[in-house]
Amino acid sequence: DAGVIQSPRHEVTEMGQEVTLRCKPISGHNSLFWYRQTMMRGLELLIYFNNNVPIDDSGMPEDRFSAKMPNASFSTLKIQPSEPRDSAVYFCASSLGHTGELFFGEGSRLTVL
Amino acid sequence: AQTVTQSQPEMSVQEAETVTLSCTYDTSESDYYLFWYKQPPSRQMILVIRQEAYKQQNATENRFSVNFQKAAKSFSLKISDSQLGDAAMYFCAYRRNNDMRFGAGTRLTVKP
Repeated sequence: DAGVIQSPRHEVTEMGQEVTLRCKPISGHNSLFWYRQTMMRGLELLIYFNNNVPIDDSGMPEDRFSAKMPNASFSTLKIQPSEPRDSAVYFCASSLGHTGELFFGEGSRLTVL
Repeated sequence: AQTVTQSQPEMSVQEAETVTLSCTYDTSESDYYLFWYKQPPSRQMILVIRQEAYKQQNATENRFSVNFQKAAKSFSLKISDSQLGDAAMYFCAYRRNNDMRFGAGTRLTVKP
């Protein structure tokens, strides 16, 4: 079975550019999470969706960040405009129901110059 | 918001020995789930073990076991017969419904 698929694996961009990260959750999973990982702040929950609906986006840093889940098999995290402090590894994870473990993608490493 | 605390930023263990990683959490809920994840240098997050709060019996997965103390809100991970491949960052996590929080992690080094 395919796991959580994220793209791109690596992204290098210049400050001010728009960045879009993509995620395909495991088929049948109804919860999707976006996390950001940095050395300084560890793993931060940015937003999670349940049945494609954003439930809590209080972790989204600011208005430059937005996330969508147009259907059960696809989600995007967009940063516009990007800044150097956005450099991090962004993880997408999915789970079945409210009690299961999260299955993580391999992460997207973003570098903003 | 629930918080998860891992008080040991780094730990070291000799190959074949046993090591225990600590985790405490803060919650007012009685029904929740706890997890330990491993993150090797490849950065893939891998589930090691899970514990349901309503179960008194400590979870075990081969060389990995937990000591779950619900009243103390403590959830430690014991790794027996440590192997070189166990070297990684280990994250403790708490889940209540769709809210899942992670600790800051413990970096485990395994010495040959």
